[in-house]
Amino acid sequence: SQQGEEDPQALSIQEGENATMNCSYKTSINNLQWYRQNSGRGLVHLILIRSNEREKHSGRLRVTLDTSKKSSSLLITASRAADTASYFCATVLPDSWGKLQFGAGTQVVVTP
Amino acid sequence: EAGVAQSPRYKIIEKRQSVAFWCNPISGHATLYWYQQILGQGPKLLIQFQNNGVVDDSQLPKDRFSAERLKGVDSTLKIQPAKLEDSAVYLCASSPQRGTDTQYFGPGTRLTVL
Repeated sequence: SQQGEEDPQALSIQEGENATMNCSYKTSINNLQWYRQNSGRGLVHLILIRSNEREKHSGRLRVTLDTSKKSSSLLITASRAADTASYFCATVLPDSWGKLQFGAGTQVVVTP
Repeated sequence: EAGVAQSPRYKIIEKRQSVAFWCNPISGHATLYWYQQILGQGPKLLIQFQNNGVVDDSQLPKDRFSAERLKGVDSTLKIQPAKLEDSAVYLCASSPQRGTDTQYFGPGTRLTVL
C-alpha cells in the first residue's frame, strides 16, 4: 500500500481562490515533499518540509506538517489557471537512501 | 543547465514484445531513479542507482525488468517480455548525491502494451 494518501482526489476552483489539499502517511518520516505534475509532463519539486519543521513557505505555497497526526497540507493562495495540475505528496523514510514514496495525488483544476 | 532527458517519449508494443527506455541524467548527478506511474496513481520506485551500483531494486519485477547504468551516467530500463499491466509512464529522475532531498524528473516515456 502507498505511504501517502492525498485528500481530496480532485479539486475544482476559480482563479483567485485558495486551494488546500491534505496528505496523510503511516510511518515516521525523515521529510515530506510536494511535487506538481502537469498533464503529460514530468514531476516538478515544489517544497520540502523536514520532520522537525511545522511550516514552510515558498511564494504562493504554504506547507504544514503535523507529525503527531502524520499529516501535511499544501495551500496554494490566489490560484491561477497555470496552477492546474496534479499535486503529489511524497515521504522519505529514515535510512531509505532518499527513496520517495508517493501518494495517488490530488487533481486540481483552476478555471479563469 | 540541461534537464533529465528521456527517449522515446511514446512507445506502443504488443504483449510479449521487448522494449527499452533510455535516460540521461543531469550532468554530475550521482543518483538515478526509475519510476513506474500507472494512470491515476502516484509514481512507484522501480530501481535506484548510486553511480553505477544498485542501492534499491526491491520493487523491480526482476523476471521481466532489467536496468543498467553504464559508467555511472546514462541508464537503460528494459522490459522483456511485456505484459498488458506494464502500460504506464516510466519516469527517470536524478539527484546530485545519495539521499539528496530534491529529485529532478525527466518528461517520461508513455508505454502502451496492446
